Amino acid sequence: EDKVVQSPLSLVVHEGDTVTLNCSYEVTNFRSLLWYKQEKKAPTFLFMLTSSGIEKKSGRLSSILDKKELFSILNITATQTGDSAIYLCAVDAGGTSYGKLTFGQGTILTVHP
Amino acid sequence: ETGVTQTPRHLVMGMTNKKSLKCEQHLGHNAMYWYKQSAKKPLELMFVYSLEERVENNSVPSRFSPECPNSSHLFLHLHTLQPEDSALYLCASSQEKATSGIGQETQYFGPGTRLLVL
Repeated sequence: EDKVVQSPLSLVVHEGDTVTLNCSYEVTNFRSLLWYKQEKKAPTFLFMLTSSGIEKKSGRLSSILDKKELFSILNITATQTGDSAIYLCAVDAGGTSYGKLTFGQGTILTVHP
Repeated sequence: ETGVTQTPRHLVMGMTNKKSLKCEQHLGHNAMYWYKQSAKKPLELMFVYSLEERVENNSVPSRFSPECPNSSHLFLHLHTLQPEDSALYLCASSQEKATSGIGQETQYFGPGTRLLVL
C-alpha cells in the first residue's frame, strides 16, 4: 500500500522564522512528488519534483527531493502570517499513464505576528 | 481561478435526499478526479476518470455514484448519505500523457463543495 507521511503535524512560529516541513514516502512506481498549500478552500499547487537533488524555488519557498532516502523537504524562509495554512505533500504513483495522487496528512503551519 | 469549477459550493442534505455535485474543467484536460477531505484526515481519492472511462474506484460506498458524460464534466450523485459523509468534496483534472506510462501530470483542483449531511 502506498504511504506518505508528513512531519511535523503542526508547527507554530513567529514572523521572520524559517521553517522546514518534511515528507517521506513509500510507494511503488514513483513518478513525482508534489507540494500543495491549502487555506480555506482547495489546495493550490506549489511544486512538482521528479529528480533528486534539484532544488525548486519560488520566492521564499523552496523544495528538494531525495529519491534514494525517499523524502522531500519544503523550506519557507522569512515566514509571514499569510503563510499560515496546511501544507500537503502528495506522491504520484499511478504506474500507468494517468495521474494518481496519494496524500500525506498535512502539516498545519501557524505564523504569529 | 484554477480553471476548475464546482457547484454547489455548499450543500446541506438529509439522509434520505438525492443530490448531485457538479465539476467542470476549462483546461482541456482528459482526466478528472473526485476527492473527499474529512476533518483531521488526509485527502482521499474516490474516483478517477480518464478519457471519460472510470479507471479507479477506491472502495467507495455505492451511495456515491460518479458520472463523466464528457471530458469536461464530472458529476457525483449522492443518495442516502450518512452524517459521516459530511466533508469537503474536491474535483481535480489533469492532462493524461498517452505514452508508455512515464509521465508527470499535475492535478488542478476546483474550490470544492462543502457537504453537510444531517
